[in-house]
Amino acid sequence: NAGVTQTPKFRVLKTGQSMTLLCAQDMNHEYMYWYRQDPGMGLRLIHYSVGEGTTAKGEVPDGYNVSRLKKQNFLLGLESAAPSQTSVYFCASTLSGAPGANVLTFGAGSRLTVL
Amino acid sequence: AQSVAQPEDQVNVAEGNPLTVKCTYSVSGNPYLFWYVQYPNRGLQFLLKYITGDNLVKGSYGFEAEFNKSQTSFHLKKPSALVSDSALYFCAVRDMRNQAGTALIFGKGTTLSVSS
Repeated sequence: NAGVTQTPKFRVLKTGQSMTLLCAQDMNHEYMYWYRQDPGMGLRLIHYSVGEGTTAKGEVPDGYNVSRLKKQNFLLGLESAAPSQTSVYFCASTLSGAPGANVLTFGAGSRLTVL
Repeated sequence: AQSVAQPEDQVNVAEGNPLTVKCTYSVSGNPYLFWYVQYPNRGLQFLLKYITGDNLVKGSYGFEAEFNKSQTSFHLKKPSALVSDSALYFCAVRDMRNQAGTALIFGKGTTLSVSS
């Protein structure tokens, strides 16, 4: 059982380049999230999805776009990368929004460096 | 505003001693509280949660947490620390704003270092 898989694990970009991070989960979870982790700042929510075909903005959405065309996949895109987007990105998922159901399952992370 | 505070960047304890990692929160309504642990170069792993009921919650790896409504705290504890407990610990609270779905708001994290 793979859980939540993120690809790629590492990537180096130049300023202005674009890229997509892929998150795949095999647990039939409805809700999926993208967070970024920066030193001393904890995890901050970028975008999230409450089901196939839906997306919504989180705390720090600027510079990112997302898509959830299939229930099992949640893509995070950077159209024009900036050094401020250097971070570790985590995808997470959970089964539903029922009270007490917020046990998020996290991927291993994707480390992105923008030069 | 909804928030989670972890007042200590780092906690140092000797192996075999009890440990406490502090967390305070600010939310509207009843809080749903969580602790996660992150080992180096890994994703976050769930430790325990408080939804309702007993104020003392037991979780994985011998950890427990005490919910204190009057002090708006949810401190993580373990009676006897192990070197293998050394990691980064995050406290989190469910975001109760409708537009955020079921997302969690995380604290900044506390690094626990257990020395042998």
